Amino acid sequence: EDQVTQSPEALRLQEGESSSLNCSYTVSGLRGLFWYRQDPGKGPEFLFTLYSAGEEKEKERLKATLTKKESFLHITAPKPEDSATYLCAVSNQFYFGTGTSLTVIP
Amino acid sequence: GAGVSQTPSNKVTEKGKYVELRCDPISGHTALYWYRQSLGQGPEFLIYFQGTGAADDSGLPNDRFFAVRPEGSVSTLKIQRTERGDSAVYLCASSPSLAASTDTQYFGPGTRLTVL
Repeated sequence: EDQVTQSPEALRLQEGESSSLNCSYTVSGLRGLFWYRQDPGKGPEFLFTLYSAGEEKEKERLKATLTKKESFLHITAPKPEDSATYLCAVSNQFYFGTGTSLTVIP
Repeated sequence: GAGVSQTPSNKVTEKGKYVELRCDPISGHTALYWYRQSLGQGPEFLIYFQGTGAADDSGLPNDRFFAVRPEGSVSTLKIQRTERGDSAVYLCASSPSLAASTDTQYFGPGTRLTVL
């Protein structure tokens, strides 16, 4: 069965303090790894899709990378508005991790 | 443009009652997905439709849960004999193409179901 593990569960950063979130996965035949952002009381919002090891994608302060076993979401110089829960999902997008709750302190 | 909408936004019911949750996908999207999300957890897959048919219903937890999409657009998730453990946020998503495994999913805001 496909599995996704995210770490850390929660992360507090000072504004401007860069860090990375981890998504480890086991899946038979990865079709894609997906990153979403979820704000309280809202549905997940799509960020990135990665399909193969070595692939990288960027959007503003976020950069997602993929290896054969894990993906990282790098956050460079975060701002308070980046505070949210970040979710990853694999394969048919049906298997989500439990998310990392990010808080960026001004 | 209109995104995915879900009604009601909140539903409170009593144990043993029947509930229906509605999802209006983005117009023209062929694929529709239902998930449920408990506090502090990621979305848990329930069922996925391509057009009018359920392409994968392996996530439905038991036969109390049923979903339909009769005209390939609006979908209704139906829960019979609700239990307190059914309390969660039920999320709906849609995607535009037949390549559901690699499509971007667009989520609605969810319906918060509370079973007393």
